[in-house]
Amino acid sequence: KQEVTQIPAALSVPEGENLVLNCSFTDSAIYNLQWFRQDPGKGLTSLLLIQSSQREQTSGRLNASLDKSSGRSTLYIAASQPGDSATYLCAVRRSTTSNTGKLIFGQGTTLQVKP
Amino acid sequence: DTGVSQDPRHKITKRGQNVTFRCDPISEHNRLYWYRQTLGQGPEFLTYFQNEAQLEKSRLLSDRFSAERPKGSFSTLEIQRTEQGDSAMYLCASSLGDRGSRETQYFGPGTRLLVL
Repeated sequence: KQEVTQIPAALSVPEGENLVLNCSFTDSAIYNLQWFRQDPGKGLTSLLLIQSSQREQTSGRLNASLDKSSGRSTLYIAASQPGDSATYLCAVRRSTTSNTGKLIFGQGTTLQVKP
Repeated sequence: DTGVSQDPRHKITKRGQNVTFRCDPISEHNRLYWYRQTLGQGPEFLTYFQNEAQLEKSRLLSDRFSAERPKGSFSTLEIQRTEQGDSAMYLCASSLGDRGSRETQYFGPGTRLLVL
């Protein structure tokens, strides 16, 4: 059974700091891994999708890496801003024959960037 | 592209009542997903549709839950005889396909259910 874990559960940093969020998964047979952002009481916004054959993806100040063999992914946020404050969720899509695309989520890391 | 919409945004009901939620996916997306999220947790998969066919259901989806996607467009999720444990955010997502960037799931704002 695939399990996804995100550590830490919460993180508080001063504005301008570079930071790394961690995601680990127990089964390396994944199709892809996605990082999402969720603002309080809102739905999820997709940030980055990494295919199983890729090592990293970049979008603006965000960089996500994937190491399938060790079951880990990291989301790097450069020069953090107060507007980055949100909960960040990682999710894996299993590599199965049925391949329905369902995602298995971690519990999320709640980030607070202080001005 | 107006995004995924869900209705209602909030629902308060009494235990034992039936509730129905609606999801309108992005128009050209043929894949639709329902997830449930409780406070402090990540979303949990409930069910998946490809066009009008319901291809996977989670064990979380007890016989009190039913989902439909007639004509492969909007979807409804009905909960019968609601229980307090059903209180959660119900999220709908859609995607264009199953390869590359097409499989990015776009989420709606969710329906927050409170069962009293």
